[in-house]
Amino acid sequence: DTEVTQTPKHLVMGMTNKKSLKCEQHMGHRAMYWYKQKAKKPPELMFVYSYEKLSINESVPSRFSPECPNSSLLNLHLHALQPEDSALYLCASSQVLQGAQPQHFGDGTRLSIL
Amino acid sequence: AQKVTQAQTEISVVEKEDVTLDCVYETRDTTYYLFWYKQPPSGELVFLIRRNSFDEQNEISGRYSWNFQKSTSSFNFTITASQVVDSAVYFCALYTGTASKLTFGTGTRLQVTL
Repeated sequence: DTEVTQTPKHLVMGMTNKKSLKCEQHMGHRAMYWYKQKAKKPPELMFVYSYEKLSINESVPSRFSPECPNSSLLNLHLHALQPEDSALYLCASSQVLQGAQPQHFGDGTRLSIL
Repeated sequence: AQKVTQAQTEISVVEKEDVTLDCVYETRDTTYYLFWYKQPPSGELVFLIRRNSFDEQNEISGRYSWNFQKSTSSFNFTITASQVVDSAVYFCALYTGTASKLTFGTGTRLQVTL
């Protein structure tokens, strides 16, 4: 079992829908990450939060909106997505935002845009 | 620029065979960190090992071993006596202060059959 929990596991949504992906960790980690992974590709970093503040935004379109309500939770709000946004969305956490710290990943949310 | 090359796209072996996954990296930073992650079909990336650029000692953990050679910019991963449960995609990744994020290789899909 992973220590980073993501919900839902699967999500199918239309291009006009609004939905949210959720991520939770109880390891006391202060850095949390969102990645997008297309099939047969490596994960691509989207956002990084450090101590609940947005630290890195990898030029992600505004239809993706991250939120970090507290040190254990990370949300990704989705609105007006495109079919090319269909992918596996992975959440990760690390003790702090520092390169030597290994990131611990959740199982991901498999998102399909109709 | 940072780059990680995993030239082997897919490897198939029969159980109990030894297998080596290759990883070659490029960076101009003198301080950097190298990682290996395993991604089984369930989706989550499982952290396997971290190495910093100043520690060239090889490491063994059970059936897993890693060979880090700065002279050839390689960080290869060997599984001894492979098992079906080792079937997964394996990613090598590089972290540098310049990039401030993990740079993943394209991954090697390992299939272990009976």
